[in-house]
Amino acid sequence: SQQGEEDPQALSIQEGENATMNCSYKTSINNLQWYRQNSGRGLVHLILIRSNEREKHSGRLRVTLDTSKKSSSLLITASRAADTASYFCATDGGGGGADGLTFGKGTHLIIQP
Amino acid sequence: DVKVTQSSRYLVKRTGEKVFLECVQDMDHENMFWYRQDPGLGLRLIYFSYDVKMKEKGDIPEGYSVSREKKERFSLILESASTNQTSMYLCASSLFGTDFSYEQYFGPGTRLTVT
Repeated sequence: SQQGEEDPQALSIQEGENATMNCSYKTSINNLQWYRQNSGRGLVHLILIRSNEREKHSGRLRVTLDTSKKSSSLLITASRAADTASYFCATDGGGGGADGLTFGKGTHLIIQP
Repeated sequence: DVKVTQSSRYLVKRTGEKVFLECVQDMDHENMFWYRQDPGLGLRLIYFSYDVKMKEKGDIPEGYSVSREKKERFSLILESASTNQTSMYLCASSLFGTDFSYEQYFGPGTRLTVT
């Protein structure tokens, strides 16, 4: 069953602007992960944030996690055309490594040159 | 770098055929997964395996089976392909964590069309 829900479903911004995507989930988690998918390709892992962390950075990516609100956000700063992709959040539902992740439906991000 | 490969990028099969999708990973990962991805539905887990010869049903196992005879290889089998199994199929692998899930590494996907 799908747990993560990304918002918005689609986002179009100008190159150089910041892009923010949100993810909400329903049950408690061990960690939350963000993935990127370029058109017609496999997913690529971007960043993992544990339930006891509030914020994490990786290059131009900033992820926040609010477990009290069961939500996370992914911020991409100074966007580039190559950032055009779909972005998915995935939650680890607490069942341990044998249960895997539950993915949301994704946010489709378009960076206009 | 972890590499996950899938046997075909594109596949066209006829209704009723038996279809094999192969996935191989080269990083000695315990966990392997099969997903299907459809527009508007996101990724849905079909089956996963956390050890050789072990398999667990995901959210949508009906019409599918899997085989894991070797640690590096995880096969998805469509026993009798139907048109509603036309989809993008994604394989992934990860380390096994007792208490939490590690990041997953994905293959490039197989776009299957059943006519």
